[in-house]
Amino acid sequence: DGGITQSPKYLFRKEGQNVTLSCEQNLNHDAMYWYRQDPGQGLRLIYYSQIVNDFQKGDIAEGYSVSREKKESFPLTVTSAQKNPTAFYLCASTPLTGPGDNGYTFGSGTRLTVV
Amino acid sequence: AQSVAQPEDQVNVAEGNPLTVKCTYSVSGNPYLFWYVQYPNRGLQFLLKYITGDNLVKGSYGFEAEFNKSQTSFHLKKPSALVSDSALYFCAVRALNSGNTPLVFGKGTRLSVIA
Repeated sequence: DGGITQSPKYLFRKEGQNVTLSCEQNLNHDAMYWYRQDPGQGLRLIYYSQIVNDFQKGDIAEGYSVSREKKESFPLTVTSAQKNPTAFYLCASTPLTGPGDNGYTFGSGTRLTVV
Repeated sequence: AQSVAQPEDQVNVAEGNPLTVKCTYSVSGNPYLFWYVQYPNRGLQFLLKYITGDNLVKGSYGFEAEFNKSQTSFHLKKPSALVSDSALYFCAVRALNSGNTPLVFGKGTRLSVIA
């Protein structure tokens, strides 16, 4: 089955530690996105990438980093510079087509908690 | 700039009654509009979209949405609510001819259907 896989489902981070969230898709989608979800704040865009080896900052990129070395993979690193990382992180992908697409396919999310 | 407003944090409706979840948007040019649903600790699932054509769009699970250009609204509706419809609903928008700029999401509306 084609889909988008996020791992791990739950992740705990100690103060001052960097952690990496995995996002892999086998849909042959060109574009991939990382959103952060906090209660009452909806989804906020962290980073996105439309082609391999290229990515753009979203609205809340500070304290995060990404890479796009392969079309299938778009890992997100939460660095120690991110002061309030506890949240639900969602990865999404979409083909670079016109209006015929159905928007994004989402992964099941990673819940990150600072301990 | 693009934006989405979902004016209600919570909507409560009795099972069997019609439901409406409101969404208004702001975008330069013609909009490309989506509704997604999220169940607890899961990613978002596509419900329906509007590009052009009929103002009434039909989607998954008996949901439909009405596009109103003059009121810049895209309200989600269902004639008869089910308890299983209880979830978090997100409206999203981008400009139709904006290439592949990321979708902008509303803050979400929690729908609670009471038996």
